[in-house]
Amino acid sequence: VQLVEYGGGLVQPGRSLRVSCAASGFPFEDYPMHWVRQAPGKGLEWVSRIEWNSENKAYADSVKGRFSVFRDNARNFLYLQMNRLRPEDTARYYCVKSGGSGFDYLFEQWGEGALVTVSS
Amino acid sequence: EIVMTQSPATLPVSPGERATLSCRASQSVRSNVAWYQQKPGQAPRLLIYAASTRAAGTPSRFSGSGSGTEFTLTISSLQSEDFAVYFCQQYNRWQTFGQGTKVEI
Repeated sequence: VQLVEYGGGLVQPGRSLRVSCAASGFPFEDYPMHWVRQAPGKGLEWVSRIEWNSENKAYADSVKGRFSVFRDNARNFLYLQMNRLRPEDTARYYCVKSGGSGFDYLFEQWGEGALVTVSS
Repeated sequence: EIVMTQSPATLPVSPGERATLSCRASQSVRSNVAWYQQKPGQAPRLLIYAASTRAAGTPSRFSGSGSGTEFTLTISSLQSEDFAVYFCQQYNRWQTFGQGTKVEI
């Protein structure tokens, strides 16, 4: 299993950024996927979940209405579109594979993360 | 929301010693608890799930126990590579993480 995030960087408050995750080594289309973030020196915060077929999506209250998760099962990619970014969104964003059926919120495999810094 | 409280925040241990980390849930989560290890500069890694089942690749010196609201992660004999931050997580009702325990020399 390999999860590789792309697209982190420095962005001004109020702007947008998209992070991507390339998945390999498992049947991507069969698994719910998540984004989990970690602010510098802080703990883990779940951000978003997407069902295998994209029919169901969930978001943390802190990002609801600003972030959007989507996936491309044909290309084995997961995305997080982040709009109206705030300084408190500064964090490393991890792409995470769930444990599958019955273990939807068990975070079985993690990517190395993409660092997003929101600052003027 | 279920709150997961870890103790202690920091655990000073010498190599070869036993380490015991605690995690308490604000309500019963049955056995739906996982433990993750995060070394400096690395992503978290799943160590234990279902309170006591070791994930693939987890050394046998790591063991988990508990059910309901009280959970424990034990490292029987600390190796140098075990100094890290450990997070517990409940996934019984949605999910929540504990704030972490740093195991340091």
